Amino acid sequence: GEDVEQSLFLSVREGDSSVINCTYTDSSSTYLYWYKQEPGAGLQLLTYIFSNMDMKQDQRLTVLLNKKDKHLSLRIADTQTGDSAIYFCAEIPASNTGKLIFGQGTTLQVKP
Amino acid sequence: DGGITQSPKYLFRKEGQNVTLSCEQNLNHDAMYWYRQDPGQGLRLIYYSQIVNDFQKGDIAEGYSVSREKKESFPLTVTSAQKNPTAFYLCACRVLGQPQHFGDGTRLSIL
Repeated sequence: GEDVEQSLFLSVREGDSSVINCTYTDSSSTYLYWYKQEPGAGLQLLTYIFSNMDMKQDQRLTVLLNKKDKHLSLRIADTQTGDSAIYFCAEIPASNTGKLIFGQGTTLQVKP
Repeated sequence: DGGITQSPKYLFRKEGQNVTLSCEQNLNHDAMYWYRQDPGQGLRLIYYSQIVNDFQKGDIAEGYSVSREKKESFPLTVTSAQKNPTAFYLCACRVLGQPQHFGDGTRLSIL
């Protein structure tokens, strides 16, 4: 089956690193995504990783993929108050109609 | 600028009324998607369309209908059969091999 799980809430202090975790069930997934949603807004693509990669770094963002454990993480270095948002992990199963399977979202709270 | 536009931003529905949410894109993307978002939940797929004049049901299609007469437009109708329509609705589009791009959403409430 297709399922994506995330913890619901994470609180960090400004300047610390944040790590948001995600597990998925479909081992045939081709791409895995991280989206950011600010209050009342749509989803903004942050980064994505192809399933044959272990890591991808993009400025303050680092994505780690452990295919054996079906575990994906997003690390935000030097977290800022503007990073406060809901972060969604999503996968595209191998059936590839382009349909995204989303996790429930992790609310990141950044304290000054 | 290319993008995907949803309108209106806020919409109110009376009992027994159908309402239509607009989604327009000028990215020339083939595929378009409608998702529903409820508090504390991820997005759930309502309908999607991979080419003009064709669309498929997603996971929660009951009470909704769509059309895809033009590549750039994918309107969603919330019918009176949808008994719990209050939610945030998101439209997305995609070209093969690339991530989905999302609109800013429409918040639907019941009067």
